[in-house]
Amino acid sequence: KAGVTQTPRYLIKTRGQQVTLSCSPISGHRSVSWYQQTPGQGLQFLFEYFSETQRNKGNFPGRFSGRQFSNSRSEMNVSTLELGDSALYLCASSFNRGQFTEAFFGQGTRLTVV
Amino acid sequence: LAKTTQPISMDSYEGQEVNITCSHNNIATNDYITWYQQFPSQGPRFIIQGYKTKVTNEVASLFIPADRKSSTLSLPRVSLSDTAVYYCLPNKLIFGQGTTLQVKP
Repeated sequence: KAGVTQTPRYLIKTRGQQVTLSCSPISGHRSVSWYQQTPGQGLQFLFEYFSETQRNKGNFPGRFSGRQFSNSRSEMNVSTLELGDSALYLCASSFNRGQFTEAFFGQGTRLTVV
Repeated sequence: LAKTTQPISMDSYEGQEVNITCSHNNIATNDYITWYQQFPSQGPRFIIQGYKTKVTNEVASLFIPADRKSSTLSLPRVSLSDTAVYYCLPNKLIFGQGTTLQVKP
């Protein structure tokens, strides 16, 4: 079956703009998590969605937001982009929220803010 | 949430067994320990998961002592393609800094 699909793969934006990234989870998966990865900070957890509800949130400013649709697809939005938002944004899907569940990651969206 | 401590980097040679230990002193009672592998410019990939004692699959073994305050990922007979970053997660959401494993010929 198809894996986790993230679009777009690459994006260049200007400071102050906003951006929306999309994640389509594996069919049947209801949990979607988002991560930001930078060379300096590593993989940092942004938020987790399950059944259209945000279940957990990482320590990021309010400029970072997300949502999940009824088909489990998820989007994250970053407003008023800053240079420091340049990163690889990864989405992971899993069947449920249980501890004993494997998360499958997409290839990520490489965002560059200039 | 449990914090993790792993070695930042490790070197090995092809054919050797590699053990990467992660400490997670304040792991919660119901937390499972999961390990992921990540290659450059790719998302992490699940390797193995366990709760206690020993778990083995086709690619690795995971050893967890009774107190569950640490875990050791064991990679048997590594090859050059095992060069990657390895992450231990005592909580399914939070990644630590990871261990960069460099396998040399």
